[in-house]
Amino acid sequence: KQEVTQIPAALSVPEGENLVLNCSFTDSAIYNLQWFRQDPGKGLTSLLLIQSSQREQTSGRLNASLDKSSGRSTLYIAASQPGDSATYLCAVNGNNRLAFGKGNQVVVIP
Amino acid sequence: GAVVSQHPSWVICKSGTSVKIECRSLDFQATTMFWYRQFPKQSLMLMATSNEGSKATYEQGVEKDKFLINHASLTLSTLTVTSAHPEDSSFYICSARGAVNTEAFFGQGTRLTVV
Repeated sequence: KQEVTQIPAALSVPEGENLVLNCSFTDSAIYNLQWFRQDPGKGLTSLLLIQSSQREQTSGRLNASLDKSSGRSTLYIAASQPGDSATYLCAVNGNNRLAFGKGNQVVVIP
Repeated sequence: GAVVSQHPSWVICKSGTSVKIECRSLDFQATTMFWYRQFPKQSLMLMATSNEGSKATYEQGVEKDKFLINHASLTLSTLTVTSAHPEDSSFYICSARGAVNTEAFFGQGTRLTVV
């Protein structure tokens, strides 16, 4: 059974700092990995999708890396803004099923 | 990205009644839809997977007679919570994929409160 761990569970950073969010998973037999953003009481917004054959994926200030062999992914958010405050979820896709971590709860302090 | 619309966003119902939640893919055909349940400060728990035109596959421990899932078309899946009880109160989220193992898109979620 795939297990996904996200560290740290919560963090606060001053505006302008870069954010580094970590995700680890136990089974490297994956098709892809997605990073999502969830605001309180809302659904999930897909941020980035990395295929198992890719090493990284970028979108604007967001960059996600994937090291499938070691079971790790990292989401970098450059020059954080108060609007980046949210919970970030990592989800690993194996055989058309997503396994989620518990999330990184981020607060960006103005 | 593609849009998945979920309704209602919140609902309050009396114990013993049934509630239906709709999940629609607005700009793509969803071969597979997923239903999740999320407890406060917890991760998403997969309840069931449904493919258009076939019966849903339920996860272990999920009562299929309580949580009825219908996926009658490529753009619509419904979750009906039957004979709801207070312990069914939770946040329910649907997800859809256009093809197997492709990017998953999520609805806005439904907050169900059973009183």
